[in-house]
Amino acid sequence: KNQVEQSPQSLIILEGKNCTLQCNYTVSPFSNLRWYKQDTGRGPVSLTIMTFSENTKSNGRYTATLDADTKQSSLHITASQLSDSASYICVVRRRSSGTYKYIFGTGTRLKVLA
Amino acid sequence: GAVVSQHPSRVICKSGTSVKIECRSLDFQATTMFWYRQFPKQSLMLMATSNEGSKATYEQGVEKDKFLINHASLTLSTLTVTSAHPEDSSFYICSARDPNRDPGQQETQYFGPGTRLLVL
Repeated sequence: KNQVEQSPQSLIILEGKNCTLQCNYTVSPFSNLRWYKQDTGRGPVSLTIMTFSENTKSNGRYTATLDADTKQSSLHITASQLSDSASYICVVRRRSSGTYKYIFGTGTRLKVLA
Repeated sequence: GAVVSQHPSRVICKSGTSVKIECRSLDFQATTMFWYRQFPKQSLMLMATSNEGSKATYEQGVEKDKFLINHASLTLSTLTVTSAHPEDSSFYICSARDPNRDPGQQETQYFGPGTRLLVL
């Protein structure tokens, strides 16, 4: 079954600390994996995209990793800021008979406290 | 660039009425738009894929007669919730693809800010 699971479900950290969010997937065949940031009451915004051959990719204080063998990805946030408080969603794109399907994870809700 | 807008941002309606939500790509032409629904503390659920000039493709379990989708131009798609009921209350989000912005096949989806629907 094609699924994307994220952990933890929610996380509270202090401003300035680092954190790592996890994404495990069983989607096949794999096309790519994206991490999105969704502020409350807003649409998701893409942070990074990982293809099969990529192991790590950074976007400012966000660093995503991908292990295609174990089907795991992580999103590391460095020196967190209050504005990082949001939901982070892992989305895996699956190839299916010439078309693409997007499988969404349930997200990790991050709260950064001052 | 790659801005997607939605209107309205918030709507309250009475049970039994119909509500139309607009999704616009402001600075690019979107041949494909997606409509999602998101319940509190849950992830986005794809409702349908909308292709300009053709009928929308609905996901399993989504009633096409209840959620009418029209994609009449390359910059506008509309979702009409017909005969709305309280259980239709949700956060509706659209996204659009810009095939000219992502060479190759990565096809970034650009999401709108969402529309919160409350049916009383």
